[in-house]
Amino acid sequence: EPEVTQTPSHQVTQMGQEVILRCVPISNHLYFYWYRQILGQKVEFLVSFYNNEISEKSEIFDDQFSVERPDGSNFTLKIRSTKLEDSAMYFCASSRQGAAEQFFGPGTRLTVL
Amino acid sequence: AQTVTQSQPEMSVQEAETVTLSCTYDTSESDYYLFWYKQPPSRQMILVIRQEAYKQQNATENRFSVNFQKAAKSFSLKISDSQLGDAAMYFCAYRDTYSGGGADGLTFGKGTHLIIQP
Repeated sequence: EPEVTQTPSHQVTQMGQEVILRCVPISNHLYFYWYRQILGQKVEFLVSFYNNEISEKSEIFDDQFSVERPDGSNFTLKIRSTKLEDSAMYFCASSRQGAAEQFFGPGTRLTVL
Repeated sequence: AQTVTQSQPEMSVQEAETVTLSCTYDTSESDYYLFWYKQPPSRQMILVIRQEAYKQQNATENRFSVNFQKAAKSFSLKISDSQLGDAAMYFCAYRDTYSGGGADGLTFGKGTHLIIQP
């Protein structure tokens, strides 16, 4: 069964460094999403992406964040200058055209020291 | 903005028994989707069940069923014949109906930690 994959599973970085989180959505899906879950808290929507551009973004998704689909398979989230409060689990998700369900990857745990 | 509320931080049930997890939501929309996601200790988010607001019939997936009360804006999850593998965090989520051009994100509740007692 096709699934969303994410790399790395765990990323440790120093405050102020740039990180890139990678996702490979399900191959026939057209909508891509990033979510964040701070430890012990609820999952929060960051951004959605369709047709090579951002479709929607939340208040959390400020100028330090960017997304890109550099090729036909990868979908990335870049955090330009990480802060301690960026430590969280980051989930990628994808969905088919016209479908309501979003399928999630296993997440990347980001730890900012 | 839509909000999702899960008022039970933790629930406990005996193996093979039935448990119901509560969820309420607030929206001004008439058409939308509701979901339950399961997050085991691995922290993977797994879709359990979905409900379209325009459908009056409650969704069912094997041992999982929902009680959708649109007027009350309530969406509870019933797990029958609970199994040890059901132990996880359960999140209720809301999404507006897809409307050409929008890729709406999900709005999640804070979750309910379900414990299965052997």
